[in-house]
Amino acid sequence: QQQVKQSPQSLIVQKGGIPIINCAYENTAFDYFPWYQQFPGKGPALLIAIRPDVSEKKEGRFTISFNKSAKQFSLHIMDSQPGDSATYFCAASPQTGANNLFFGTGTRLTVIP
Amino acid sequence: EADIYQTPRYLVIGTGKKITLECSQTMGHDKMYWYQQDPGMELHLIHYSYGVNSTEKGDLSSESTVSRIRTEHFPLTLESARPSHTSQYLCASSPWGGNYGYTFGSGTRLTVV
Repeated sequence: QQQVKQSPQSLIVQKGGIPIINCAYENTAFDYFPWYQQFPGKGPALLIAIRPDVSEKKEGRFTISFNKSAKQFSLHIMDSQPGDSATYFCAASPQTGANNLFFGTGTRLTVIP
Repeated sequence: EADIYQTPRYLVIGTGKKITLECSQTMGHDKMYWYQQDPGMELHLIHYSYGVNSTEKGDLSSESTVSRIRTEHFPLTLESARPSHTSQYLCASSPWGGNYGYTFGSGTRLTVV
């Protein structure tokens, strides 16, 4: 059972476009929502993270939007560049217990020059 | 600079051989994880550990085994490699307590011929 559902599986945009990747969850105990970026041949690296007390967080060209009532969160990449081409994973973890992360299935993003 | 190290980066080995994939971290993290991933695809948790002498199986059934004798070291062993074990293996670590996300290594790309 997938705890975090991610879509789309793949995404192709033109340079300068704004790709949006969506994630949804059911477990209301989740209270930490990171996004990871993975380039070919590398391990995933933490890109940006949000907690449910805010609805939006920006870091550079990357923005997380969070809708607590809908149990959804999304990643927006402003002014996308070919160097943003990578696989993106959303994740969630609860506050209690071991705080293990539950990952989405990943989105392969291609930004065309 | 990566604080979690995986060796080897690439390994091609014959069927039936015993192999050990190494993972070491210098951050003093209690929690460590092994994931199996086909290139650019979903992350599958195969083993995890919450500290010395603690090991648990993950969501994906795996014929591999792990050990945690020292905090910084979490090796994964395959007693008899098969072509179906061909994949990328990623190691990650995280501190205990609170939501800090994971730090991933660069992975070991294993090919069994």
